[in-house]
Amino acid sequence: GDSVTQMEGPVTLSEEAFLTINCTYTATGYPSLFWYVQYPGEGLQLLLKATKADDKGSNKGFEATYRKETTSFHLEKGSVQVSDSAVYFCALSDQGFQKLVFGTGTRLLVSP
Amino acid sequence: NAGVTQTPKFQVLKTGQSMTLQCAQDMNHNSMYWYRQDPGMGLRLIYYSASEGTTDKGEVPNGYNVSRLNKREFSLRLESAAPSQTSVYFCASTVGEGHQPQHFGDGTRLSIL
Repeated sequence: GDSVTQMEGPVTLSEEAFLTINCTYTATGYPSLFWYVQYPGEGLQLLLKATKADDKGSNKGFEATYRKETTSFHLEKGSVQVSDSAVYFCALSDQGFQKLVFGTGTRLLVSP
Repeated sequence: NAGVTQTPKFQVLKTGQSMTLQCAQDMNHNSMYWYRQDPGMGLRLIYYSASEGTTDKGEVPNGYNVSRLNKREFSLRLESAAPSQTSVYFCASTVGEGHQPQHFGDGTRLSIL
């Protein structure tokens, strides 16, 4: 079945550092790909999405490109802030219905 | 505009007690979901409802039941709570057509002693 693999955390960075969180997927069809963010004590919020190969999703300085050839959707940000500290989830949805398959999440800790 | 509202936010139960978690959305979404979140395991789908009047099992349905009361509301019931059901439960909804994202509630933290 479909699956998502994320790098294990926590990822610890200093403010203004470059961020990469790796995400790879396995799917039989042509899924849409998502990054969700979860701040402490809150539910998940959509950060960005991409619906087809080579699409780039972007939001709040974060970017991710849908790479079909490497089945990847890595999350990047050029300069992280303390306020970016959260848990980030990569997810995919299948073609026929909006069932999401999540990765295990990567905790990001940014220090001043 | 509230989005997805879950009640209660916190609950402590004793083993064997029953409990219903409530979820309501005000976005006129067709599809609704219940997930549980456990450390190191991400979110796992318990049950979902593709449209009003239908429900289907997800990845981890054992020990749970659901009711899609109407288009807005989707409840999750634990008939006889077990410590293994200690978790954070999230409800979500989406339009149900195309590749639209799911919108999540803030979660219910459930502890079973």
